[in-house]
Amino acid sequence: QQQVKQSPQSLIVQKGGISIINCAYENTAFDYFPWYQQFPGKGPALLIAIRPDVSEKKEGRFTISFNKSAKQFSLHIMDSQPGDSATYFCAARNYGQNFVFGPGTRLSVLP
Amino acid sequence: DTAVSQTPKYLVTQMGNDKSIKCEQNLGHDTMYWYKQDSKKFLKIMFSYNNKELIINETVPNRFSPKSPDKAHLNLHINSLELGDSAVYFCASSQELSGDGYTFGSGTRLTVV
Repeated sequence: QQQVKQSPQSLIVQKGGISIINCAYENTAFDYFPWYQQFPGKGPALLIAIRPDVSEKKEGRFTISFNKSAKQFSLHIMDSQPGDSATYFCAARNYGQNFVFGPGTRLSVLP
Repeated sequence: DTAVSQTPKYLVTQMGNDKSIKCEQNLGHDTMYWYKQDSKKFLKIMFSYNNKELIINETVPNRFSPKSPDKAHLNLHINSLELGDSAVYFCASSQELSGDGYTFGSGTRLTVV
């Protein structure tokens, strides 16, 4: 119940394309769903986050879509750029407990 | 003015040695964490430390021990290092336990030979 599943494991997208990464969870007590971006040699950095009371959140080219009934959420990167090439982690939090991270998706955006 | 800083960035050591990794945050956060990232990039919580309360992931061997001299520092001491301890270790902090948005350090790559 504490797991967060993430797919795909790796993703290759052409420059200008849309990158979509999907996550699913079981624990309905989760109340906060962030996405982290990690570049090689760096620590994960908070990219965008959503709470279950909204279905979508957009920040620039990054959008989270959230489906509470399906217990799924996804990250969409519009107009993907080579600089977006990184590993992306979804995560979920049950307030007062530690975050649970997905296994990560390695995104490569080809120039 | 790095928010969460870890030292060293790289650490190569022999099996059986004892080593420490230091972490400092200047964000005024109340909670600090240690995560282990294995070769497959999976992030696993090791410890969280909040107001002198230590929460330990039960799967962490007792060779690993966090030490917090004050709220801004959480060091990781590892005894009798094993080959399987090779990984990247990340320190992180948040305003409160499981607060919105962790700030991670840039990691320490530990290689045990």
